[in-house]
Amino acid sequence: LAKTTQPVSMDSYEGQEVNITCSHNNIATNDYITWYQQFPSQGPRFIIQGYKTKVTNEVASLFIPADRKSSTLSLPRVSLSDTAVYYCLVGALSGSARQLTFGSGTQLTVLP
Amino acid sequence: DAGITQSPRYKITETGRQVTLMCHQTWSHSYMFWYRQDLGHGLRLIYYSAAADITDKGEVPDGYVVSRSKTENFPLTLESATRSQTSVYFCASRVAGSETQYFGPGTRLLVL
Repeated sequence: LAKTTQPVSMDSYEGQEVNITCSHNNIATNDYITWYQQFPSQGPRFIIQGYKTKVTNEVASLFIPADRKSSTLSLPRVSLSDTAVYYCLVGALSGSARQLTFGSGTQLTVLP
Repeated sequence: DAGITQSPRYKITETGRQVTLMCHQTWSHSYMFWYRQDLGHGLRLIYYSAAADITDKGEVPDGYVVSRSKTENFPLTLESATRSQTSVYFCASRVAGSETQYFGPGTRLLVL
């Protein structure tokens, strides 16, 4: 299983760019990297997913170096509503779900 | 409303009682999942199902039973509840070939 490690918490201010890094040294060839966002009392919500290099969508960017042993979620110009827990998920979802691994999550707090 | 729903949203039970948590999705997704979320552990996979009548264990299956007679439903049963099963339970689904999971709102279970 590809174990993931994330910072427990991060603070930022409104308007700043936030980068959250996830380490996954044992990532397998077929594994994808997926990030989810979770607000209190809600289920996680998909943010972005990638396999290598850089992926960008309307809410975030995901940077994956060539060795794929880590990944960085980048949130541009955060607002107070971005305060949430962010999870890094590594696994080959198209295969056995037993290969899924959720990180412990990073509590991002955006301050005014 | 289309989507993934869970019931009940809150449940209090006593040690030794049987409890069933319901999960229903309207998308006809092939895969369905049950997770539990505890402080300090993030999300841990309990059971998953790749299709109707196909289920498999996740990371923490002991004390739980699942069934999937219909594609849209994936109930989770605690046959004899224990205090250690006090947790928030999330159901999720995804379509075959996609890496994105969609989570339900969660069920908060308290075992006294």
